[in-house]
Amino acid sequence: SYTLTQPPSVSAAPGKTATITCAGNNIGNKIVHWYQQKPGQAPILVIFYDTNRPSGIPERFSGSNSGNMATLTVTGVEAGDEADYYCQVWDSASDDRVFGGGTKLTVL
Amino acid sequence: QVQLQESGPGLVKPSQTLSLTCNVSGGSISSGGYYWSWIRQPAGKGPEWIGRIYFSGITTYSPSLKSRVTISLDTSKNQFSLNLSSVTAADTAVYYCAREMGINYFDFWGQGTLVTVSS
Repeated sequence: SYTLTQPPSVSAAPGKTATITCAGNNIGNKIVHWYQQKPGQAPILVIFYDTNRPSGIPERFSGSNSGNMATLTVTGVEAGDEADYYCQVWDSASDDRVFGGGTKLTVL
Repeated sequence: QVQLQESGPGLVKPSQTLSLTCNVSGGSISSGGYYWSWIRQPAGKGPEWIGRIYFSGITTYSPSLKSRVTISLDTSKNQFSLNLSSVTAADTAVYYCAREMGINYFDFWGQGTLVTVSS
């Protein structure tokens, strides 16, 4: 089955840029989605189709995907961005929807 | 705006069947164009997709769970349901229902319900 690997934690000071990676074999050939999850809450979609933001998601959130790595970038980090972030793809070989293990973003 | 709400027992005994229902409001599950999914998340881990159903009744299940999963829908009540058989402690998790869009992403989620498998 397809595997997505994320770093357990990332930190950034307020106003700085946080970069969260999602590694997978030839992930650039897949479509990646990203979710934000705060404690005790359901995940919220923040990026879909690699680079698109749902309405209501700030422009500070952006995504990219190439080669073996997809990236979620949060520019101008705010305290309210502190959360767990998960990447997700559809694996066509197994018709499975696969999530990464998650990255905790800490705002210093 | 679509809203989803899970309901069902919070405690299930080992070897029994876990049964949950998702009530959908703000939109009809019969309208087509969307899939209706179940996802679970063990404490401290990433989400795990369980399966989905279309308004026509067509289902798709996770390869790792398909032998134990059944998803059904009740269009008259605008609900869909999950049955997971032969549960063990490893099935303890927060269970979410969600709407699945396009190339398989989830744009609306329920608040989640914790199901514990224990005797």
